[in-house]
Amino acid sequence: GAVVSQHPSRVICKSGTSVKIECRSLDFQATTMFWYRQFPKQSLMLMATSNEGSKATYEQGVEKDKFLINHASLTLSTLTVTSAHPEDSSFYICSAREGGNTEAFFGQGTRLTVV
Amino acid sequence: GENVEQHPSTLSVQEGDSAVIKCTYSDSASNYFPWYKQELGKRPQLIIDIRSNVGEKKDQRIAVTLNKTAKHFSLHITETQPEDSAVYFCAARESGGYQKVTFGTGTKLQVIP
Repeated sequence: GAVVSQHPSRVICKSGTSVKIECRSLDFQATTMFWYRQFPKQSLMLMATSNEGSKATYEQGVEKDKFLINHASLTLSTLTVTSAHPEDSSFYICSAREGGNTEAFFGQGTRLTVV
Repeated sequence: GENVEQHPSTLSVQEGDSAVIKCTYSDSASNYFPWYKQELGKRPQLIIDIRSNVGEKKDQRIAVTLNKTAKHFSLHITETQPEDSAVYFCAARESGGYQKVTFGTGTKLQVIP
């Protein structure tokens, strides 16, 4: 099956700093990537959708200036959490899809802890 | 936008019994319904899916049913085993736009040996 690799798997950062998370499709070209946030014991909440070469589309309530998403190539999307605060601590997970009507595959997720 | 509700939030069954998880969705245009199993700290894994042109699908001990009219779909696990213990999410994918996937709230399944 298709492989999506997400790095880092865990990161601890200080309040006020920025953290970049990478999501790579290893064996297919991902025209669309999705970024989710999952708080403990809760569901996956879609943050934004990105298509290669265009600006990301953010869900209502998600600050685009705080969660910067770049989908510069067909195999890589990045999520940068800027000026992180403890309330940003969460499990961030990406998924990638090759084309329309195809299955989306998940990365292994990133556990972000802001101290 | 799409809204997916899932019940129950927790479910405990004896090993060998069946488990049923139910979901409803709001957007009649959604046409693909995957189910995911997620273990603690891991990525969701697709276990079965169903498209809107099909009413039922089975894969060994797992089956899914879809009632498009009522906008209900359900996951059935038979002969449960301790390794089935996990959190299960239903989801609905929109047919247009970016084909976003909306997840249900999750069901924590515990299979008691």
